[in-house]
Amino acid sequence: LAKTTQPISMDSYEGQEVNITCSHNNIATNDYITWYQQFPSQGPRFIIQGYKTKVTNEVASLFIPADRKSSTLSLPRVSLSDTAVYYCLVANQAGTALIFGKGTTLSVSS
Amino acid sequence: GAVVSQHPSRVICKSGTSVKIECRSLDFQATTMFWYRQFPKQSLMLMATSNEGSKATYEQGVEKDKFLINHASLTLSTLTVTSAHPEDSSFYICSARDLPTMGYGYTFGSGTRLTVV
Repeated sequence: LAKTTQPISMDSYEGQEVNITCSHNNIATNDYITWYQQFPSQGPRFIIQGYKTKVTNEVASLFIPADRKSSTLSLPRVSLSDTAVYYCLVANQAGTALIFGKGTTLSVSS
Repeated sequence: GAVVSQHPSRVICKSGTSVKIECRSLDFQATTMFWYRQFPKQSLMLMATSNEGSKATYEQGVEKDKFLINHASLTLSTLTVTSAHPEDSSFYICSARDLPTMGYGYTFGSGTRLTVV
């Protein structure tokens, strides 16, 4: 699976939009991009997945350019409870294990 | 849908004893489950891939005789930490994927905090 690279940390204030970008230069044709959120002492929680262009759900949006070598997770109007670690991971059709990078620690302040 | 239940959430054991952690897929069948370990302020590290009805595949550096994995049914995988030592203290997390309900998204258990004293 393609290795992913994300910023180590980001800071934001309540009510702002946060965009976390991830690079996955070696993504394969049939791979999908997935994002997860993890709070301390909890397992990761699936947020969103996408193949190309834009995907939106009730929690976030995911933007994927045509070359698919990167993706951006967009969190609208963050709150203090969005303080967490966010992981960008590439998933394949075969369902092999996800390989975690360091993730992005998002800190939201009031 | 696609819920994974992990028990216990927290366990303390004495050095030299064994501890079993259970991971159940509640509303789907999981032929494959994954076990991770996470140390404080670090990312998840894949330990092994658990396959129903066959032997688990361990990642390099993970002792298969110490971390016994059993996946006897389509809804249950267990991780047994044998002869636990303080350095085995960590947060253990299981995961599985249900393609029909979640597509390429994986579901994770809530984790087990193991403390060896």
